[in-house]
Parts: sequence; structure tokens; C-alpha cells
Amino acid sequence: KQEVTQIPAALSVPEGENLVLNCSFTDSAIYNLQWFRQDPGKGLTSLLLIQSSQREQTSGRLNASLDKSSGRSTLYIAASQPGDSATYLCAVSSGNQFYFGTGTSLTVIP
Amino acid sequence: DTGVSQNPRHKITKRGQNVTFRCDPISEHNRLYWYRQTLGQGPEFLTYFQNEAQLEKSRLLSDRFSAERPKGSFSTLEIQRTEQGDSAMYLCASIPPGKNIQYFGAGTRLSVL
Repeated sequence: KQEVTQIPAALSVPEGENLVLNCSFTDSAIYNLQWFRQDPGKGLTSLLLIQSSQREQTSGRLNASLDKSSGRSTLYIAASQPGDSATYLCAVSSGNQFYFGTGTSLTVIP
Repeated sequence: DTGVSQNPRHKITKRGQNVTFRCDPISEHNRLYWYRQTLGQGPEFLTYFQNEAQLEKSRLLSDRFSAERPKGSFSTLEIQRTEQGDSAMYLCASIPPGKNIQYFGAGTRLSVL
């Protein structure tokens, strides 16, 4: 069974700092990997999707990379802002199943 | 905006009562997933539908849980004889044909007293 791990569980940074969130998975046979943002008590908002054949995707200040062979993905956030404070989740898809990590709770301090 | 809609947003119930949640997916999305999420955890898969067919159910889905998608459009998740351990956020996601991209609703938060 696919297992997804996210490190660190929590991260606190001052505003303006660049940061990296990590996601690792045990089975490299994935279809794609999706990064989500979740605000407290809310649903998940998709940030970036990387297909298994891709190495990275960028959207604004966000850049996600994928190294399928080593079972790792990173989400890079440039010039962090207080509005970036949220929980960030990664999910890998294998067949018709999706497996989530437990998330990284990010706090950006003004 | 015709995103994924979930109702109700919040449900408070007493132990032993039955509850039903509804999910309206994005139009023409043929796959629909239900997840349960507890505090500090990622979403855990419960079940999914392709059109009206329920194709897979998690072991988490005890016999008190049932889900339907009668016409391949909206879906309902019913929990019978609720227990305090059922308190969680219940999330629904829909997926368009030919893609593995999930679009989530805002969730239904269930509190069992």
C-alpha cells in the first residue's frame, strides 16, 4: 500500500522568507502528484498538479518538483506572505486511488 | 461558480441518530470520491463512484455507512447509529473524465455528541 509522508509537520517562518515543503511516497508507480492548500475548517484547494512524466510545475510564487524514482516531491514557496499560512497537503494517485500525506502546517509571521 | 457543493456544511447530532450528507459534483465529472478527515490528519479514502457504480469501498466504511449515486450525478453518504468516533470532516471530490485531478468541496463537519 502507498504511504505518503510530509515533513515537517509544522513550520513557522518570517514574512518574505523562501521555504520548501517535502512530500515522500513509498511506491514510485504513480500517475500524478497534486499539492493542495487547506485553510482551517475548509475543503482542499488545488495548487499544482505534476504528471508522472513531468519534473516540475510552476504557478506564481509556487514551484513543485517531482523525483519519481526517489519517491519525493517538494513545494517551494518564494517570498512567503502571511496569507500563505495554511496546511499544505500532497496526494499521489495510483490507479483510481489517491493517497494523502498528513500535511505541513505553515505559519508565516508578519 | 459551479464547483463541488456539499450540504450541510455543519451537522451536530446525538449519538445513535442517523445523518445524511449530500455532494453535488462538477457537471460532467464522472468520478466522485468520499473522504473522511480528522484533526491533524490527511483525508482518508472512504469510497468512490464511476458514474452511478460504486467501484471501491475502504475497510473504514463499516456497515453503518452507505453511499449512493443513483443517477450518476449527486451522491449521498449516510451514517446510521452515529458514534462519537464518527465526528470528522467528510469531504467529497469529483474528477473529470480521462484525468486524475481532484476538485474538492468545502466539506461537511459532523459533530456527534
